[in-house]
Amino acid sequence: AQKITQTQPGMFVQEKEAVTLDCTYDTSDQSYGLFWYKQPSSGEMIFLIYQGSYDEQNATEGRYSLNFQKARKSANLVISASQLGDSAMYFCAMREGRSSYKLIFGSGTRLLVRP
Amino acid sequence: ETGVTQTPRHLVMGMTNKKSLKCEQHLGHNAMYWYKQSAKKPLELMFVYNFKEQTENNSVPSRFSPECPNSSHLFLHLHTLQPEDSALYLCASSPPQREKDTQYFGPGTRLTVL
Repeated sequence: AQKITQTQPGMFVQEKEAVTLDCTYDTSDQSYGLFWYKQPSSGEMIFLIYQGSYDEQNATEGRYSLNFQKARKSANLVISASQLGDSAMYFCAMREGRSSYKLIFGSGTRLLVRP
Repeated sequence: ETGVTQTPRHLVMGMTNKKSLKCEQHLGHNAMYWYKQSAKKPLELMFVYNFKEQTENNSVPSRFSPECPNSSHLFLHLHTLQPEDSALYLCASSPPQREKDTQYFGPGTRLTVL
């Protein structure tokens, strides 16, 4: 069973506008972590933001925020004030348990920012 | 100094060749990982090393042979590969896995098997 689902293979957004990238997950663990990574065409996976299952507040990092809805098992990434450099693949990932070394990745969403 | 480096960045090899991918991390981490990223598939974890000991082998074919001589270096030895092994191979490292600890990735090696 797929653990991380990203239903948007591709998205467009106008420069300076906000965009939401969807991520839903499936786990029976009470403790887990959710991550978002950005992968530019260069290939490197860049860590953006983390949300713990017990965190009461949504995580924010600069222009990135995570809309965490635990009951719905969703962890959507919101990018505000999109920039041309935000054009990339975006991956949602999950770690089950507090100390697992294993990250499970979704299939990704390709974001294209239009000038 | 870049955190995680990988060499080579691009590699083309025939099915009978033997080659090695190298990964080095300058972050003082104790865990290192190999991932495979194929077109249109999620990132797949291949191997995990923690303090030089292999802790995960995700049912990877034996034509892929990892080696971790120390906590800073990780190799992936390749032999008699198949065309379907063509992919981006990403190395990552991380500190001890506390709840918020993320993995830091290298730029990857783009492998093409002819």
